[in-house]
Amino acid sequence: NAGVTQTPKFQVLKTGQSMTLQCAQDMNHEYMSWYRQDPGMGLRLIHYSVGAGITDQGEVPNGYNVSRSTTEDFPLRLLSAAPSQTSVYFCASSRLRGQGVEKLFFGSGTQLSVL
Amino acid sequence: GNSVTQMEGPVTLSEEAFLTINCTYTATGYPSLFWYVQYPGEGLQLLLKATKADDKGSNKGFEATYRKETTSFHLEKGSVQVSDSAVYFCALNDYKLSFGAGTTVTVRA
Repeated sequence: NAGVTQTPKFQVLKTGQSMTLQCAQDMNHEYMSWYRQDPGMGLRLIHYSVGAGITDQGEVPNGYNVSRSTTEDFPLRLLSAAPSQTSVYFCASSRLRGQGVEKLFFGSGTQLSVL
Repeated sequence: GNSVTQMEGPVTLSEEAFLTINCTYTATGYPSLFWYVQYPGEGLQLLLKATKADDKGSNKGFEATYRKETTSFHLEKGSVQVSDSAVYFCALNDYKLSFGAGTTVTVRA
């Protein structure tokens, strides 16, 4: 059982380049999300999805796009990378229950550096 | 909007010391509350949770009680070990999880 799989683990980009961070889960979770983790700022929600075809913005969506064409996959696209997007990115998924997110399962993270 | 505030670190302790990490929340209604832990080089994993007032979550010797009157969910462990060194996050479920800033805990032998 793979859980939540993120690729790549490390990436270096030049300012202005675009790329896609991949996330896949095999637990049939309705909810998927992307967070960025920066020193002293904890985890901040970028985008989330409550099912295929449904996405919404989190706290810090600017500069990122997402789509959810299947239940399993939730890729995060950086349109034009900036140094401010240097961070560690985590994908997470969960079942949904009456009060919302039940328990988040996290991927192992992607360390992104933008030069 | 809903949010959590947790004590800033870093916290450094000796083995077998008592650990408390404070967490308070602001919310409408009665959200579920969580503590997540992140060990070095890994993603976060759920440590414990409580879904209603006066519930106590517990796991691996850690405990936290959902206190509605003080809007708090403080994490405690009576005797820490070196293996408890990690970053601890308080979180609130308002249909999407909102995390605190994290508290780095280092336990020295």
